[in-house]
Amino acid sequence: EDQVTQSPEALRLQEGESSSLNCSYTVSGLRGLFWYRQDPGKGPEFLFTLYSAGEEKEKERLKATLTKKESFLHITAPKPEDSATYLCAVLGAGNNRKLIWGLGTSLGVNP
Amino acid sequence: GAVVSQHPSWVICKSGTSVKIECRSLDFQATTMFWYRQFPKQSLMLMATSNEGSKATYEQGVEKDKFLINHASLTLSTLTVTSAHPEDSSFYICSAREQSQETQYFGPGTRLLVL
Repeated sequence: EDQVTQSPEALRLQEGESSSLNCSYTVSGLRGLFWYRQDPGKGPEFLFTLYSAGEEKEKERLKATLTKKESFLHITAPKPEDSATYLCAVLGAGNNRKLIWGLGTSLGVNP
Repeated sequence: GAVVSQHPSWVICKSGTSVKIECRSLDFQATTMFWYRQFPKQSLMLMATSNEGSKATYEQGVEKDKFLINHASLTLSTLTVTSAHPEDSSFYICSAREQSQETQYFGPGTRLLVL
């Protein structure tokens, strides 16, 4: 059964304190792994799509990496405005092209 | 690019009335649109998938006669909650995807409160 597990559930950092969020997955035939950011009361905002192991993508202070079992979202020198819930989802070869979602990591960055 | 809008952003209605939510892809053609529901502190729950010009495919447990979905054009899908009841109060979010692409782009969501 396709599954996504995100850790930690919650994380609080000081401004400038770099860290990583984890997304572990099991899926039959990975077609894509997706990272989104969600602010309270808003829809998810697209960050990255990764398609194959070894792939990396960067955007400002964020960098996403992918292996055959997990993905990391690295946050370098975070700022308070990076506070949000970060969601990971995978798309497998089955499941009629439906995303399988993790429960998210709630990130808080103190000034 | 890849902007999806939803309207209204929030709505309050009386029990028994129907509410329509619009989802539009503003700068791309969305061959497939998705409707999700999200409860507080929980992840997104897929309600249905709609392809332009076809009937929507509903997830198990979602009443198709209660949640009417129309995807009549490549830029617009609508979700109508019929005879709404307080238990239908939730945060509804749509997403859209281009043909042959895997990434879904989400709208800002609609908060529905049924009194």
